[in-house]
Amino acid sequence: EVQLVQSGAEVKKPGESLRISCTTSGYSFHTHWIAWVRQRPGKGLEWIGIMYGSDSDTRYSPSVQGQVSISVDKSISTAYLHWGSLQASDSGIYFCARADIVAAGKPMDVWGKGTTVTVSS
Amino acid sequence: EIVMTQSPATLSVSPGERASLSCRASQAVSTNLAWYQQKPGQAPRLLIYAASARATGFPATFSGSGSETEFTLTISSLQFEDSAVYYCQQYNHWPWTFGQGTKVEIK
Repeated sequence: EVQLVQSGAEVKKPGESLRISCTTSGYSFHTHWIAWVRQRPGKGLEWIGIMYGSDSDTRYSPSVQGQVSISVDKSISTAYLHWGSLQASDSGIYFCARADIVAAGKPMDVWGKGTTVTVSS
Repeated sequence: EIVMTQSPATLSVSPGERASLSCRASQAVSTNLAWYQQKPGQAPRLLIYAASARATGFPATFSGSGSETEFTLTISSLQFEDSAVYYCQQYNHWPWTFGQGTKVEIK
């Protein structure tokens, strides 16, 4: 069974750094993309970025470019989303999702349950 | 960046009736268009990909159509459990982008 297990909720202050994780299992991490999607409170879905498991090819939305970074640890099939300096506007639920584009042509077909990030002074 | 525009924002439909949701892309995206269903407190679920292919676990009452810039999600006979927000998303160009969502309510 394909699973994406995300790290727990975080409460941070503005200016602090943060890394959240998405640990995958049940499929070949190296041949799939992992995407991150944000949902601010009461709002819609916002695509943040994506990284390919094998060669770390990474794409970002212009709305977050330079504010977040995506990385992977292939040895443990885990993806990360990292902030160097959080802002209140970073608050929301962050979902990771597998993209099976290469083999099946499917975008974001399996999702994690989400990590809630709250940034408040 | 491709802008995805969904309409209407909210759709109120009686059980058993048909619901049609629209999604328009600001540039052609071929058939690289997906629909997701999101219920309150849950992660989104892939519903339709490649504009018309139904994902695992969804009944045949859900169908997708369209290409390039105009797409439609149709729920042929609405059930109470179909109450959710539905998002379209293009994956033809980076960055991938979502529409703002259509909330489907059951009368």
